[in-house]
Formats: sequence, structure tokens, C-alpha cells
Amino acid sequence: GENVEQHPSTLSVQEGDSAVIKCTYSDSASNYFPWYKQELGKRPQLIIDIRSNVGEKKDQRIAVTLNKTAKHFSLHITETQPEDSAVYFCAASKWTGGGNKLTFGTGTQLKVEL
Amino acid sequence: NAGVMQNPRHLVRRRGQEARLRCSPMKGHSHVYWYRQLPEEGLKFMVYLQKENIIDESGMPKERFSAEFPKEGPSILRIQQVVRGDSAAYFCASSHGAGGNSPLHFGNGTRLTVT
Repeated sequence: GENVEQHPSTLSVQEGDSAVIKCTYSDSASNYFPWYKQELGKRPQLIIDIRSNVGEKKDQRIAVTLNKTAKHFSLHITETQPEDSAVYFCAASKWTGGGNKLTFGTGTQLKVEL
Repeated sequence: NAGVMQNPRHLVRRRGQEARLRCSPMKGHSHVYWYRQLPEEGLKFMVYLQKENIIDESGMPKERFSAEFPKEGPSILRIQQVVRGDSAAYFCASSHGAGGNSPLHFGNGTRLTVT
């Protein structure tokens, strides 16, 4: 089955700096890659996603890049703010009509310091 | 449009008791997924259901765990004879389709504590 690895496990940045989180996946047939943000004790919230027919997607301060050949994708957060502090999870799945079963990475604890 | 609703938010059970976790998907969503999250870990897939059907239960333990999504009412994740290792946060997610543009939206989870 699919295996997703995520690095780093913790990341501290100064407010205003950029943060980058990287994930690799094992199944070359995976075609959907979402990112979720989870604050302490709360639900995972979808912040951005990308499909395999696209190499990059941007939404305000958040961007995701995908390299299908290398089987890795990254989350980029620019101009970080204290409210960006949370755990971020990457995930991968194959959309084949049989559901959207996500395999998650182990998470990155992002801390934005003042 | 209310999001995915899960209840209870917190559930405490003694070893050997049964735990029932409920999930009402977002309006218009007919696909439900259950995930388990252990402390400081990622989410692990358990089961995927559509109305009245289990589509994929490859992540579900073979014993003591069962799930249903009846024609009427919420999806239920049932854990019989709970053990301490079942303590975790259980999240439900729903989507409106099986593929295409059907991202998963998660509920707030049920935090199960087994004493």
C-alpha cells in the first residue's frame, strides 16, 4: 500500500519568515495530495490540495508543489504569522472511483515565534 | 451548512465495555470515512462506507471493531470490549463523491479514553 513520509517533524520559524514542509510518497499511481492543518484538540482542516496533473498551486500565502517523477510534494507558507502555528499533515490517495482513502504523513509541528 | 458532526466529543469507558461513536456527514455527502489518531501521531485509515455499504475496511482491526452507515441516521463506529490500547481520537470525514472533486471534510472527533 501507499506510504507517506513527512519532514521535518518539528519546525520553528520567526514571524514573517517562510516555512517549508516536505513529503514523499511511494505509490506512483497516487494522484491527489491534500494538506491539512490541525490545531491542538481540533479537527484537521483542509488548507490546500493538488492533483497530479498540476505541478504547483497557490492560495494567498500558501503554495504546494508536486514532483511526480521524484514522488515528492511540498507545502510552502510565506510571511508566517503566529496563527499559522499548528500541526500540518500531508496525505496522498488514488482517486479511482472507489473512494478517496487518504494515507497521511506523521505530521509537522510548526511553531511561529514572535 | 453544518459541517461533519461527531458525538460524543469525549467518551470514557472502562475496560470491557462497549463504545459507540456517531458521525453525521455534511449535508449532501453520502461517503463516510473513519480515521484513528493516537497521541502525537498521524491519522490512520480505518473504514470507508457509503449508505448501507462498507466499501473498504482494510484498516479496521478484525475483532471488536465494526462500522455501519444505515439508510437513515448517522454512521456508527462500534468498539466492543474496549482495551486501553483503544484510547485515541477517532475522526470521521465525509465527501460528496467517490472521486473527482471530492475532498474529505473532517469532524471534531471523539476522544475515547479507556480506564
